[in-house]
Amino acid sequence: SQELEQSPQSLIVQEGKNLTINCTSSKTLYGLYWYKQKYGEGLIFLMMLQKGGEEKSHEKITAKLDEKKQQSSLHITASQPSHAGIYLCGADMGAGGTSYGKLTFGQGTILTVHP
Amino acid sequence: NAGVTQTPKFRILKIGQSMTLQCTQDMNHNYMYWYRQDPGMGLKLIYYSVGAGITDKGEVPNGYNVSRSTTEDFPLRLELAAPSQTSVYFCASSYFQLANYGYTFGSGTRLTVV
Repeated sequence: SQELEQSPQSLIVQEGKNLTINCTSSKTLYGLYWYKQKYGEGLIFLMMLQKGGEEKSHEKITAKLDEKKQQSSLHITASQPSHAGIYLCGADMGAGGTSYGKLTFGQGTILTVHP
Repeated sequence: NAGVTQTPKFRILKIGQSMTLQCTQDMNHNYMYWYRQDPGMGLKLIYYSVGAGITDKGEVPNGYNVSRSTTEDFPLRLELAAPSQTSVYFCASSYFQLANYGYTFGSGTRLTVV
């Protein structure tokens, strides 16, 4: 089983709809990173969360990290075709900087937005 | 500002052949990483380096080798290619551990072993 579980694995929405992607771990997350990937391209950094209860927003995307630092959600408001792609969460699971920057990734969520 | 450059973008190898995937970054980042991405499996760490001359194994190192002779370059070597190594390979770098912006990723190398 994955150390970091993403849900859903795929999502199809109509343009204008809101959606949420979840990223869950049984272990404490010492840094949680959200990335977006378009087919054939590398991963683009979206947001980073570190503190329990933290919430960050950029344009129509909001990411939250729960108080226990074991679950994060990515919420897109009024989705657009430009939001389509693969969303991945990556987590630093090393306390006190012991991970040397290694990230554990979720399986990814494929988002399709129909115009 | 090129960021992280990976070459080639695509490659088809025959079983048993060898090749080197190139990765170069121009941001003076200390930390560099190689990940592979398989469908539905996210990214798995192959090898990483915390500085020139220092490398270490990640989660899935078997069948691969790396070297880090300079800060800029972190090539990944595949010896005796196998179908199980068919994947998309990403190189990434960061300045010091992860900072607040995570990695800078290359655009990937799509490898097929037949």
